[in-house]
Amino acid sequence: NAGVTQTPKFQVLKTGQSMTLQCAQDMNHEYMSWYRQDPGMGLRLIHYSVGAGITDQGEVPNGYNVSRSTTEDFPLRLLSAAPSQTSVYFCASSYGRRRSYEQYFGPGTRLTVT
Amino acid sequence: DQQVKQNSPSLSVQEGRISILNCDYTNSMFDYFLWYKKYPAEGPTFLISISSIKDKNEDGRFTVFLNKSAKHLSLHIVPSQPGDSAVYFCALLPYSGGGADGLTFGKGTHLIIQP
Repeated sequence: NAGVTQTPKFQVLKTGQSMTLQCAQDMNHEYMSWYRQDPGMGLRLIHYSVGAGITDQGEVPNGYNVSRSTTEDFPLRLLSAAPSQTSVYFCASSYGRRRSYEQYFGPGTRLTVT
Repeated sequence: DQQVKQNSPSLSVQEGRISILNCDYTNSMFDYFLWYKKYPAEGPTFLISISSIKDKNEDGRFTVFLNKSAKHLSLHIVPSQPGDSAVYFCALLPYSGGGADGLTFGKGTHLIIQP
């Protein structure tokens, strides 16, 4: 199993550009989520999904969109990038909603917005 | 307002001794309490967890203690090994229906094991 994979590993965007961060898992996990980590901070929840077709907002959802058309994939879209979105983004997955604590994290995407 | 606090940004411990990492939280809405370990340029990895109905959970060299009345969580690592050098995050999961169904993380403590 590859576990949780994220692409790209690094990305530089200009203010106003849009892009999609990809996340995929091959463990047949129901629950997937996106977090961002800023310097000196813990991870903060952006959006999450408890199954295909179901998504919900986390703590810091503004400026981001998600969709969950398959169990395996959970892409994160930046609609119009801003310097405040410079961060490291982590995707995570787990077996189910009430076991979402045992989350498996991807290696992260480091995004810089200039 | 920070709901989860790890007040020590870094901690240095000699190899073979006990490492104690601490975490405080501000309200009673949390159901599960977890510790994650993170190496540079990698995603966090799950280490150990404890349910709100317990006060201690052990897994090899790692023990997590929960004091609900004090709203305090701690991780003990004994004996500490060089490979334990990493950033440790406490992460809390709310009760179902208690808000967004994801983890609330502390800011992390950088543990350095000295040879």
